[in-house]
Amino acid sequence: QSVLTQPPSVSGAPGQRVTISCTGSSSNIGASSYVHWYQQLPGTAPKLLIYDNTNRPSGVPDRFSGSKSGTSASLAITGLQAEDEADYYCQSYDSSLSVVFGGGTKLTVL
Amino acid sequence: QLYLQESGPGLVKPSETLSLTCTVSGGSINSPSYLWGWVRQPPGKGLEWIGSIYSRGGTYYNPSLKGRVTITLDTSRNQVSLRMRPVTAEDTAVYYCARHPRPLPVTHFDFWGRGTLVAVSS
Repeated sequence: QSVLTQPPSVSGAPGQRVTISCTGSSSNIGASSYVHWYQQLPGTAPKLLIYDNTNRPSGVPDRFSGSKSGTSASLAITGLQAEDEADYYCQSYDSSLSVVFGGGTKLTVL
Repeated sequence: QLYLQESGPGLVKPSETLSLTCTVSGGSINSPSYLWGWVRQPPGKGLEWIGSIYSRGGTYYNPSLKGRVTITLDTSRNQVSLRMRPVTAEDTAVYYCARHPRPLPVTHFDFWGRGTLVAVSS
């Protein structure tokens, strides 16, 4: 069981907007300044998508955005494309002195 | 461009030691700005942080794995190493090497290796 809770799956049609939630507690997201997001395409390594709650690394389309409020964070994807079909993971830090990940969310583009 | 490549045995026997190496190219592991970490992913499951090490050698481990894991640096070869013992079938996973661009705790991983699959089986 992951410290950070994500929905196992979400889906959307091309062009639509989807959001993926990441719920933690006062010992991780609520305490840590930042949540980060990764995209993992099938058979590949994770790739940094959003860091420090809202920042996109160079090369990541602005269709991807992040937000954080209290003990939860969200990743939003607008203008959904077939190439966005992947697993998405949130990450933060827990006061147990541990880097923690969410359980992952599989995005299906219908 | 930074490049990380994991290497090591693809099969380890139960109760023995898992040893992996991450060779870094395109940058020095000696930079005081970075940490180097290991993350694993069991087949069909999510990501789990194993531990991270500063360029000066300070280490941080996942409390659930502490005692079984050792992460070290070889600055002469620009390599980061992982040792885990004793292993069980539950340690079967793809093991990734990755870089933190700034100190813990509030940091992310900005570069990842491609990963290497390690199976624990007799």
